[in-house]
Amino acid sequence: DTGVSQDPRHKITKRGQNVTFRCDPISEHNRLYWYRQTLGQGPEFLTYFQNEAQLEKSRLLSDRFSAERPKGSFSTLEIQRTEQGDSAMYLCASSLAGSGYNEQFFGPGTRLTVL
Amino acid sequence: TQLLEQSPQFLSIQEGENLTVYCNSSSVFSSLQWYRQEPGEGPVLLVTVVTGGEVKKLKRLTFQFGDARKDSSLHITAAQPGDTGLYLCAGYAGGTSYGKLTFGQGTILTVHP
Repeated sequence: DTGVSQDPRHKITKRGQNVTFRCDPISEHNRLYWYRQTLGQGPEFLTYFQNEAQLEKSRLLSDRFSAERPKGSFSTLEIQRTEQGDSAMYLCASSLAGSGYNEQFFGPGTRLTVL
Repeated sequence: TQLLEQSPQFLSIQEGENLTVYCNSSSVFSSLQWYRQEPGEGPVLLVTVVTGGEVKKLKRLTFQFGDARKDSSLHITAAQPGDTGLYLCAGYAGGTSYGKLTFGQGTILTVHP
């Protein structure tokens, strides 16, 4: 395991459908983050896990969004009843708590297109 | 709410030129990270600066953290086409921020051969 992996890399769905993305962090990392990035912008924070506990959620994360990290390893991000405004790149990052400066390492992202 | 203002938003230069990207905030950060991102990929960490006034060099890239830890700059010497990409600065506030990063809007750099 050399880095953060995300699946799928691309997802095209119709408005109103549910989608689920998966993130596998670097194996020894106990912190996991989800960010969303729209074209021409920097990533925006969505939510954060330390081990299996979800410790913070952004106001950007509406009730249609839910994230889990059931065993403190991989994480899933589900979007229910997708809207066209959900189209974006969803990025996952991981870091090691106590490593000092919270350097985060990102996966390749999942590009979501809602038609 | 902490904000990072990154400038310029776009840079188009010829191979061999020098350039500087700026990242400014009114807030103090515990550390600041610079990333480079290719189209369709996730950001790749270039460097982390943590001490006010710190200067770090990575080959032709020089990163500086402001004395007050509110601003940072990235300077590229003799840019090459391979430097083309989106450059992002990201600040970590520390404390109760739980480690989330606040990103600037990014600088799209294009280096023409």
